[in-house]
Amino acid sequence: SQQGEEDPQALSIQEGENATMNCSYKTSINNLQWYRQNSGRGLVHLILIRSNEREKHSGRLRVTLDTSKKSSSLLITASRAADTASYFCATLKGSNYKLTFGKGTLLTVNP
Amino acid sequence: AAGVIQSPRHLIKEKRETATLKCYPIPRHDTVYWYQQGPGQDPQFLISFYEKMQSDKGSIPDRFSAQQFSDYHSELNMSSLELGDSALYFCASRYALSRDETQYFGPGTRLLVL
Repeated sequence: SQQGEEDPQALSIQEGENATMNCSYKTSINNLQWYRQNSGRGLVHLILIRSNEREKHSGRLRVTLDTSKKSSSLLITASRAADTASYFCATLKGSNYKLTFGKGTLLTVNP
Repeated sequence: AAGVIQSPRHLIKEKRETATLKCYPIPRHDTVYWYQQGPGQDPQFLISFYEKMQSDKGSIPDRFSAQQFSDYHSELNMSSLELGDSALYFCASRYALSRDETQYFGPGTRLLVL
């Protein structure tokens, strides 16, 4: 199956709540990246975590990486309606730097 | 700051027609990647170029070809279009010698094949 499987496939929460999305992958990686995509639009890079890192923060985003379990999580704290989007994890392996994307989580934040 | 430019942004074609998608990377970026995202799907890697040479190839149909030019812009040529080619096509770029492993994505070209 695909590198970078994500769960849940869809998540609906209220504004102010935290949202957690998970991603699993199958092979060794150089790094793992999270992207956001508003409905059918461009991919916006959110955060990159290297294989030798365990946790990284950027604003309201917190990413963890467990290479022993081949999994990562993205936590968005104090969610806002504007956070409504699809979130994809993507793994990077090898010298050519191509990204392998997961299936994505559709996050809906209700006002 | 300058971003990746893709043209056209929208394209409608008939079956069996051809299409050419263009990508202009961020200035100084020498590496270009193409991805295809079908409706409700995750982006899939098609092909990449570094310094005008193909560097990697993914699930790109034989009906598609691509190249990178001396100014580093890239074109994706699609022939004998099929209904299943309807998708969002993204181009991304980076500077190969940078320690920043982030790929910077363009806004995409939405192709509809009728």
